Amino acid sequence: NAGVTQTPKFQVLKTGQSMTLQCAQDMNHNSMYWYRQDPGMGLRLIYYSASEGTTDKGEVPNGYNVSRLNKREFSLRLESAAPSQTSVYFCASKEQSRRRGNTIYFGEGSWLTVV
Amino acid sequence: GESVGLHLPTLSVQEGDNSIINCAYSNSASDYFIWYKQESGKGPQFIIDIRSNMDKRQGQRVTVLLNKTVKHLSLQIAATQPGDSAVYFCAEKETSYDKVIFGPGTSLSVIP
Repeated sequence: NAGVTQTPKFQVLKTGQSMTLQCAQDMNHNSMYWYRQDPGMGLRLIYYSASEGTTDKGEVPNGYNVSRLNKREFSLRLESAAPSQTSVYFCASKEQSRRRGNTIYFGEGSWLTVV
Repeated sequence: GESVGLHLPTLSVQEGDNSIINCAYSNSASDYFIWYKQESGKGPQFIIDIRSNMDKRQGQRVTVLLNKTVKHLSLQIAATQPGDSAVYFCAEKETSYDKVIFGPGTSLSVIP
């Protein structure tokens, strides 16, 4: 049981390049999320997916697209990377149960630098 | 738009003392609140949660207090240890939506 796995862990992009961050969870969770965390700051929600086939904007969606490919996978795409998108990106999935509530499990993060 | 770069507030406590980390939330419709701990270079980890029909919930060495009147949440850590040094985030969620929004975080530094 690997939990939430995201790739790549580190990436350097040139301005204008595109790339996709991959995320997969093996916990059979319905909800998945992408957050970004700038140095010394909190987590900001980019997009989330409440279930397979649905996606919704979060606090800072501009410049990003997402795909909920299936229940396990939720990818984040930067079509034309900008230096302002230099950040650490966290994927997460959420368990929902009467007993355990709404616990979110995070991946280890993807460090993205746009030069 | 881009937010102004604000650095995390820092709380320094002596080892063995109790720590209190505060959080103000903005959405009066939020009915579920969670505290997370993030160690350097890692993803956030769940600590404790509380529903809006409760004022207090206790875990192992941690207590969360919720004051809905002033939209305030606090995390109390008893007998703080060096391993508690991390950034702590509160998060809020509405029942009707699956969106989970995080607060700005507080950096806790434990002095041995």
